[in-house]
Amino acid sequence: DQQVKQNSPSLSVQEGRISILNCDYTNSMFDYFLWYKKYPAEGPTFLISISSIKDKNEDGRFTVFLNKSAKHLSLHIVPSQPGDSAVYFCAASAGRYSTLTFGKGTMLLVSP
Amino acid sequence: DAGVIQSPRHEVTEMGQEVTLRCKPISGHNSLFWYRQTMMRGLELLIYFNNNVPIDDSGMPEDRFSAKMPNASFSTLKIQPSEPRDSAVYFCASRRTATVAGELFFGEGSRLTVL
Repeated sequence: DQQVKQNSPSLSVQEGRISILNCDYTNSMFDYFLWYKKYPAEGPTFLISISSIKDKNEDGRFTVFLNKSAKHLSLHIVPSQPGDSAVYFCAASAGRYSTLTFGKGTMLLVSP
Repeated sequence: DAGVIQSPRHEVTEMGQEVTLRCKPISGHNSLFWYRQTMMRGLELLIYFNNNVPIDDSGMPEDRFSAKMPNASFSTLKIQPSEPRDSAVYFCASRRTATVAGELFFGEGSRLTVL
């Protein structure tokens, strides 16, 4: 019973275009959301986060949008670069210091 | 500063054998997490420790799995006896308790294959 869902296993985008990765959650107690990036043979690394008091957070080329009413968040990467090719995990927690529940991940491939 | 260190990086074993995975968290971090990654279920939390004390082990699949943290700089995840369905990548992660959830640092993982 997945509480955090990433329904697209993979996404292909051309270099320079926008990548949009989506995530849905079911637990209304979740109030802190994160995106992690994972390269092959490496552990996930933290990318960007957003708390439920906001609906947008931006960090360079990466922007996370949160729609609480729809229980949906998305990660936008603009412009996409080949080095962004990786698996992206959406994660959520109920409280900033609690454990993280992860989605299954979306593999992003950015082609030159 | 060294990151989270896991060993072994790869383990191939036969069904029924005991497997021990090891983790050294980042110095000064007082929370430690064991996750398992599979294609079917993604990243699942198995157990986490706070100040060396197990807080939540509800994610541990069954009694064949056990985890210990004898001190602040070392933890083990043991599977005995191992089964083919245990094949996965096992990640250890650590953080300072008082920091936000995003500050979770992962090791490079231990890829386990049970034949």
